[in-house]
Amino acid sequence: NAGVTQTPKFQVLKTGQSMTLQCAQDMNHNSMYWYRQDPGMGLRLIYYSASEGTTDKGEVPNGYNVSRLNKREFSLRLESAAPSQTSVYFCASSTGLAGVDTQYFGPGTRLTVL
Amino acid sequence: QKEVEQNSGPLSVPEGAIASLNCTYSDRGSQSFFWYRQYSGKSPELIMFIYSNGDKEDGRFTAQLNKASQYVSLLIRDSQPSDSATYLCAVNGNSGYALNFGKGTSLLVTP
Repeated sequence: NAGVTQTPKFQVLKTGQSMTLQCAQDMNHNSMYWYRQDPGMGLRLIYYSASEGTTDKGEVPNGYNVSRLNKREFSLRLESAAPSQTSVYFCASSTGLAGVDTQYFGPGTRLTVL
Repeated sequence: QKEVEQNSGPLSVPEGAIASLNCTYSDRGSQSFFWYRQYSGKSPELIMFIYSNGDKEDGRFTAQLNKASQYVSLLIRDSQPSDSATYLCAVNGNSGYALNFGKGTSLLVTP
């Protein structure tokens, strides 16, 4: 099993450009998440999808949109990138079942917005 | 705002010693508690979780939870240089799916 995969690994954008970060999991998990990690700020939740067909805002959703394409895939879109969106983006997934719901992380995408 | 607090460190311990990492949380409804390890430039990887008061041991790692004091800790016995990383505490509340992460404690194990 590959676990959680993310593409691309690195990306440089100019202000105002758009892009989509891709995430896929092969663990048959119901729930998927997008986080960003900035120095001194820790991991912050952008959006999550509790199950296929649902998405909800997290702590820092402004400037982002998401799509839960199917059970495996959850994409994050930046419509008009801003320098403040320079960050490392992590996708994660979990079973979403009752009880202890452990999240497993992908390798991350390092995004720089100039 | 539900907060998870960790000392940023760096915490420096000699090889073979016990490293003690601490975390406090503000939401009394929190139910599950996780410790992740993150090497520089890598993604967080789960070390262990705990949801009942008391201690939980897994190899060289022991998680301790005290819900009355809203405190969770991670002990690493026989610390190795390979344990040098940032340790993230994460808390899952009773509102569903979101994990609230602390900012992490940097651990340095010196040979």
